[in-house]
Amino acid sequence: DQQVKQNSPSLSVQEGRISILNCDYTNSMFDYFLWYKKYPAEGPTFLISISSIKDKNEDGRFTVFLNKSAKHLSLHIVPSQPGDSAVYFCAARGQRGTSYGKLTFGQGTILTVHP
Amino acid sequence: SAVISQKPSRDICQRGTSLTIQCQVDSQVTMMFWYRQQPGQSLTLIATANQGSEATYESGFVIDKFPISRPNLTFSTLTVSNMSPEDSSIYLCSAGDRSNQPQHFGDGTRLSIL
Repeated sequence: DQQVKQNSPSLSVQEGRISILNCDYTNSMFDYFLWYKKYPAEGPTFLISISSIKDKNEDGRFTVFLNKSAKHLSLHIVPSQPGDSAVYFCAARGQRGTSYGKLTFGQGTILTVHP
Repeated sequence: SAVISQKPSRDICQRGTSLTIQCQVDSQVTMMFWYRQQPGQSLTLIATANQGSEATYESGFVIDKFPISRPNLTFSTLTVSNMSPEDSSIYLCSAGDRSNQPQHFGDGTRLSIL
């Protein structure tokens, strides 16, 4: 049972354009969502997060949007740069209780930004 | 943010042997976790490493196969026991503290079993 889904295995965009990565979740008990970027042979690097009480969080070129009613979040990268080419993972954290602190990851989306 | 170091970074092991992976954090953290990333797959939580007590394992993972230690707030080990080719994966340690702070990851241990 995949509680966090990234339905697009890959995305290709031109340098300077917007990249939009999507993520859906099924568990309404998730209260905190994160995006990680991963290069080959490295661990995931935290990118940006959003609490379930917000619908938008922005950090430089990166913006995360959360639509709780649709159980959907997206990561926007504007403008995209070739160095952004990596695998992007969406993750969700459970609320207090037995799931506290644990992250559930999506399958990842490979982003390729062409010069 | 915490800096997390994992050792070894990679290893090739024989079937039936065991390997212990170390995870060192440069500051005291409340929570430490161990994840597995199988080839072409996402990250799956193996267990939560609890300081001073037994680890909490996720469904499908057992202590006999993946014993975990956490003697203090900056260090943890994961042992992969009696390895088989199906255990070939990247094993990742993560650490986190206050509830509204993100977890950070080490670079992982790439394990291949022959």
